[in-house]
Amino acid sequence: AQSVAQPEDQVNVAEGNPLTVKCTYSVSGNPYLFWYVQYPNRGLQFLLKYITGDNLVKGSYGFEAEFNKSQTSFHLKKPSALVSDSALYFCAVRDGSSNTGKLIFGQGTTLQVKP
Amino acid sequence: GAGVSQTPSNKVTEKGKYVELRCDPISGHTALYWYRQSLGQGPEFLIYFQGTGAADDSGLPNDRFFAVRPEGSVSTLKIQRTERGDSAVYLCASSKDTDTQYFGPGTRLTVL
Repeated sequence: AQSVAQPEDQVNVAEGNPLTVKCTYSVSGNPYLFWYVQYPNRGLQFLLKYITGDNLVKGSYGFEAEFNKSQTSFHLKKPSALVSDSALYFCAVRDGSSNTGKLIFGQGTTLQVKP
Repeated sequence: GAGVSQTPSNKVTEKGKYVELRCDPISGHTALYWYRQSLGQGPEFLIYFQGTGAADDSGLPNDRFFAVRPEGSVSTLKIQRTERGDSAVYLCASSKDTDTQYFGPGTRLTVL
């Protein structure tokens, strides 16, 4: 069975500091991994994905994530946080070996960036 | 271009009533998905359409939930005999084939 774990309910960082939001996954086939961000009362916005290729993927708004197969992790990172990055972040996985597109999401991590 | 749209944005109903939630996907996207997001949780998969057919409905919680996509574009999620536990935000997403899913703003359903 597929699963995603986001071990931190909340991450607090100061503006200008680097940020990391953690994600680990479990999938039986090839992992397709995604990060989405959700602002209050809005839908999910796609940030980035890993399908194949380079382990470091770059996405929107300066975010990047590193795929680590041995640790089954896909942590989201940004070198310098902005107050406007404060939001709810979701990691999701899909089994790339199956023909269903369904995503399994983590519980979400609230990122709080303080001025 | 236009993103995924969902109507209504809010729906309040009474226990036992029937509701329909509508999703307009991005033009040209063949795949359409429904998810349900309860407060403080990540979205949970309900059903996936490829074209007009439901390719995976393994996430529908019971037979009160049903979804259709008769012409391969707009989809309607139908909930019969609503219960208070059905209260949640219902999210729709679309994609080209099974590529990146783009989400709509959701419909907040409240069952009194």
